[in-house]
Amino acid sequence: KAGVTQTPRYLIKTRGQQVTLSCSPISGHRSVSWYQQTPGQGLQFLFEYFSETQRNKGNFPGRFSGRQFSNSRSEMNVSTLELGDSALYLCASSLGVTQYFGPGTRLTVL
Amino acid sequence: AQTVTQSQPEMSVQEAETVTLSCTYDTSESDYYLFWYKQPPSRQMILVIRQEAYKQQNATENRFSVNFQKAAKSFSLKISDSQLGDAAMYFCAYRSRETSGSRLTFGEGTQLTVNP
Repeated sequence: KAGVTQTPRYLIKTRGQQVTLSCSPISGHRSVSWYQQTPGQGLQFLFEYFSETQRNKGNFPGRFSGRQFSNSRSEMNVSTLELGDSALYLCASSLGVTQYFGPGTRLTVL
Repeated sequence: AQTVTQSQPEMSVQEAETVTLSCTYDTSESDYYLFWYKQPPSRQMILVIRQEAYKQQNATENRFSVNFQKAAKSFSLKISDSQLGDAAMYFCAYRSRETSGSRLTFGEGTQLTVNP
């Protein structure tokens, strides 16, 4: 089976712009979670989607949003980008207990 | 809320030797899962091993084993016969079994260096 894929792998944006990241889960996986990884804050949970519904949400401002489509693919959107949003954004999918991660999208905000 | 703590920011080991990475966690729950993930320089998070809290037996996956002490809320990872490919950042993670969802809470990570 193909693993979790994320696009794009690298992204450079400027402050105030918005960005959309995409995640395709492993075939058959219905849960998709998003995490932000930064050197200062470590790995932090953003949100989880299951069957097109947000099931859990982390402690991030409303500028961070997401959605899931009927084929389980997920997107996350960050509006009005700030310098502090520069991070590696990881997506993970699961069918049961274990989450399997994608390679991440490296976002740089200038 | 649950917290996970990895008190060793960096560890090093000689090739072929054994190393133990420490992890402690805080939770009021009795049913949960614990994981060790590995993140090599490629940044791809890879599952190393998983432990269910209701199982007393420590999980083992080839050269990787855990020492799970539920009462002490401790979950250490032992890597035997260390190989150069084991060099990576290792994260300990917690997942509740009592609330819905797959949310993982991660520790700060331990950077493991393997010396030839």
